[in-house]
Amino acid sequence: GESVGLHLPTLSVQEGDNSIINCAYSNSASDYFIWYKQESGKGPQFIIDIRSNMDKRQGQRVTVLLNKTVKHLSLQIAATQPGDSAVYFCAETHYGNNRLAFGKGNQVVVIP
Amino acid sequence: NAGVMQNPRHLVRRRGQEARLRCSPMKGHSHVYWYRQLPEEGLKFMVYLQKENIIDESGMPKERFSAEFPKEGPSILRIQQVVRGDSAAYFCASSLDSGQSEQFFGPGTRLTVL
Repeated sequence: GESVGLHLPTLSVQEGDNSIINCAYSNSASDYFIWYKQESGKGPQFIIDIRSNMDKRQGQRVTVLLNKTVKHLSLQIAATQPGDSAVYFCAETHYGNNRLAFGKGNQVVVIP
Repeated sequence: NAGVMQNPRHLVRRRGQEARLRCSPMKGHSHVYWYRQLPEEGLKFMVYLQKENIIDESGMPKERFSAEFPKEGPSILRIQQVVRGDSAAYFCASSLDSGQSEQFFGPGTRLTVL
């Protein structure tokens, strides 16, 4: 099932430091995972995705790690910048399914 | 290339009125998804449509809610006889293909029911 958040976990990070955001998913059948960034008043923006046949994928300043054994996903942001301040969501789906299941959001606040 | 467009961006309705939300997918995209987001929660899937067809409406309430994606024009999410619990942000996404194809999200419509 999907998690329902009451209060967003918040990560405060100094500008220039690395950020790590974690996500636990529940559906063992999920084989495609995406991280989205949502700024205040805007729609979710795609950051990076990973398929279940991989355990790590890197993009520009971001890395996603997938641990299928414990159903855990993480997003690492290198050299965090003020523009990275947002809510970050992980989402999952599986082959043949078109709907995304979103996890609880994580608020990232970058301190200049 | 314009992204996904939604209008209105903000919509205020009184209880019992109808709310009509519009979504124009990205150019060339024929797959449209609607999600609802309550404050401080993740997005919840509502419905997936292709042109003139509802493919998956498993996340949409059976009563008062309907969606369409006509051959011409935007996709419409319609909420009849709105109640306060319908207050939320409604996001539309579109994709080029079905399955595990990247979904591009619009800016959302924020519905407030008084």
